[in-house]
Amino acid sequence: RKEVEQDPGPFNVPEGATVAFNCTYSNSASQSFFWYRQDCRKEPKLLMSVYSSGNEDGRFTAQLNRASQYISLLIRDSKLSDSATYLCVVTHTGTASKLTFGTGTRLQVTL
Amino acid sequence: EAGVTQFPSHSVIEKGQTVTLRCDPISGHDNLYWYRRVMGKEIKFLLHFVKESKQDESGMPNNRFLAERTGGTYSTLKVQPAELEDSGVYFCASSQSGNEQFFGPGTRLTVL
Repeated sequence: RKEVEQDPGPFNVPEGATVAFNCTYSNSASQSFFWYRQDCRKEPKLLMSVYSSGNEDGRFTAQLNRASQYISLLIRDSKLSDSATYLCVVTHTGTASKLTFGTGTRLQVTL
Repeated sequence: EAGVTQFPSHSVIEKGQTVTLRCDPISGHDNLYWYRRVMGKEIKFLLHFVKESKQDESGMPNNRFLAERTGGTYSTLKVQPAELEDSGVYFCASSQSGNEQFFGPGTRLTVL
C-alpha cells in the first residue's frame, strides 16, 4: 500500500466549476502536509501548506483531518490555468525534510 | 534570484554506461535534496545533504548511485553502471533550514 494515496483522475471540469481532490495517508506519524502543483514536464511547486484548522488562499482551500488521516483541496471558480497535476505531500516526525509524495491527481479545466 | 538549476535536461545512455547529473541549488541554501520519478510512479526521495554532509540517504536505491556535494555548493549524482530501471526524471531541490523546498526542472534520464 502506498503511503500517500490519491485518485489519479483525470478530473475534467468546465471553467468556473468547483472541484475537490482528496488524499489519504497511512503513516500516523505524519507531521506536515502540503499540496504541490506540477505542470506537464515541469517541476513540482508548492501550492499551499495544510493545517488542521484549514487554510484558504484565494480560490483554494485545504483541509486536514488527522483522525481520518485525510487531506483535501478545494478549487473554486476553476480557471483554464488551473489545469495541472496536484500532488499530495507529507513529511513524517523525525524526517521532517523528506517529502513523501502521492502519485498526483490530474485536473483538466475546459472551456 | 536564480532558481535551482540542473544539468543536463535530458540524457540518453545505454545500459552499463555511466551518467553524472548535476544540481546547482539556490545560493545560500544549505539543504539539498535529490528525488526521482520513475514512469507511472510517485516522486520518491533519494537523499538529503546539509552543506556537504549526507543527512539522510535512506532513499538511495543501491550502491550504483553515488551522490556528492563537495564544498557544500553544487551536487552531483552519478549512476554507474546504469540499468534500464534507472530511467526516470531526477529532481533536485534546495531549501533554507526548515523552509519550503524549491525544485529544479529535473533531468530526464533514459537508459536503453
